[in-house]
Amino acid sequence: NAGVMQNPRHLVRRRGQEARLRCSPMKGHSHVYWYRQLPEEGLKFMVYLQKENIIDESGMPKERFSAEFPKEGPSILRIQQVVRGDSAAYFCASSQLGDKNTEAFFGQGTRLTVV
Amino acid sequence: SQQGEEDPQALSIQEGENATMNCSYKTSINNLQWYRQNSGRGLVHLILIRSNEREKHSGRLRVTLDTSKKSSSLLITASRAADTASYFCATGMDSGYALNFGKGTSLLVTP
Repeated sequence: NAGVMQNPRHLVRRRGQEARLRCSPMKGHSHVYWYRQLPEEGLKFMVYLQKENIIDESGMPKERFSAEFPKEGPSILRIQQVVRGDSAAYFCASSQLGDKNTEAFFGQGTRLTVV
Repeated sequence: SQQGEEDPQALSIQEGENATMNCSYKTSINNLQWYRQNSGRGLVHLILIRSNEREKHSGRLRVTLDTSKKSSSLLITASRAADTASYFCATGMDSGYALNFGKGTSLLVTP
């Protein structure tokens, strides 16, 4: 049973370009969470999705960021018109249940560098 | 912010010694979780302790939770060089689904 798979592992984008980060949850998991980690910082919650639904996007910036988790395929975190401040590690986690006391399994992350 | 804060920021010990890391938080929680992150890697879940629990063990790990002081501690006994990593506490709230992470404690275990 493969763990949470994120790709790409590293992504370099020029300012103004779009970044697409993919996350395939663990088999059998239908709950996906995205977090962002700035250098020397802890993880900051961005969004929680179930299949085809955004449940909690309280941590998402109001502009340029969007997330989806379609019925088929991976969850996508999309950042439009990237700026240098978007450079960070983006982690995806998945869980089998939406229970707050359920362990979430994290992927290896995508390191985005905006040049 | 309801973010947890770990203390100390960095800890250096020798193999065989015990390592204790502390976490403080600000508001009521549903649960508190500890994670480990090796350099440049993802997070590995260590232990989840619910707000109505006071202590939990897993192998060489011992976690305590004091909700009256809004604090938790992670004890790693008989440390090994492989325990070298950053350790984060994360609090889960009753409302919302976010885990609120602290900045972590960087642990270095030298042979």
